[in-house]
Amino acid sequence: AQSVAQPEDQVNVAEGNPLTVKCTYSVSGNPYLFWYVQYPNRGLQFLLKYITGDNLVKGSYGFEAEFNKSQTSFHLKKPSALVSDSALYFCAVSSLTGGGNKLTFGTGTQLKVEL
Amino acid sequence: DTAVSQTPKYLVTQMGNDKSIKCEQNLGHDTMYWYKQDSKKFLKIMFSYNNKELIINETVPNRFSPKSPDKAHLNLHINSLELGDSAVYFCASRQGNFNTGELFFGEGSRLTVL
Repeated sequence: AQSVAQPEDQVNVAEGNPLTVKCTYSVSGNPYLFWYVQYPNRGLQFLLKYITGDNLVKGSYGFEAEFNKSQTSFHLKKPSALVSDSALYFCAVSSLTGGGNKLTFGTGTQLKVEL
Repeated sequence: DTAVSQTPKYLVTQMGNDKSIKCEQNLGHDTMYWYKQDSKKFLKIMFSYNNKELIINETVPNRFSPKSPDKAHLNLHINSLELGDSAVYFCASRQGNFNTGELFFGEGSRLTVL
């Protein structure tokens, strides 16, 4: 079975500071990893994904994430946080051997960026 | 020109009633999903259809019945609603039947059972 862990329920960051939202995963086989963002009362929006190739992937709104196979991690990062980045962030994983077409989500991390 | 649209956005109903939520995508995607998000924001997959064929059916009570009349539509019918069914239900779509594409989500349908 595949799973995702987001160890922090909430991350607080001052605007202008770098932010990191943590994610670790467990799958059999090669992982396909995703980050989504959810603003209040909205659907989830895709930010970025890792399928293969370069371990550092860049996505929307200046976000990036680094795939680390040895640590089974896929942490989301941004060099300089904005108040408008405040939202709920979900990490997700799937794989060819992970239940077919299923994308499994983590429990979400609430990011709060303060002035 | 919303990519994935769900109706209704809000639904308030009494226990025991039957209700439906409709979903349509205009992205030309082959695969559609229903996810349930509970009050703690946990997201759990319920069903997935690929070209009108059911391919994922998680452990969901059989009071929940998805129907896909064509690959652009995936509706969710719920019989005999219970308090625990209160949640936000998200429809999503993805191109193809592979695991590498990203999901496109609708805005959600908030169901409140009284």
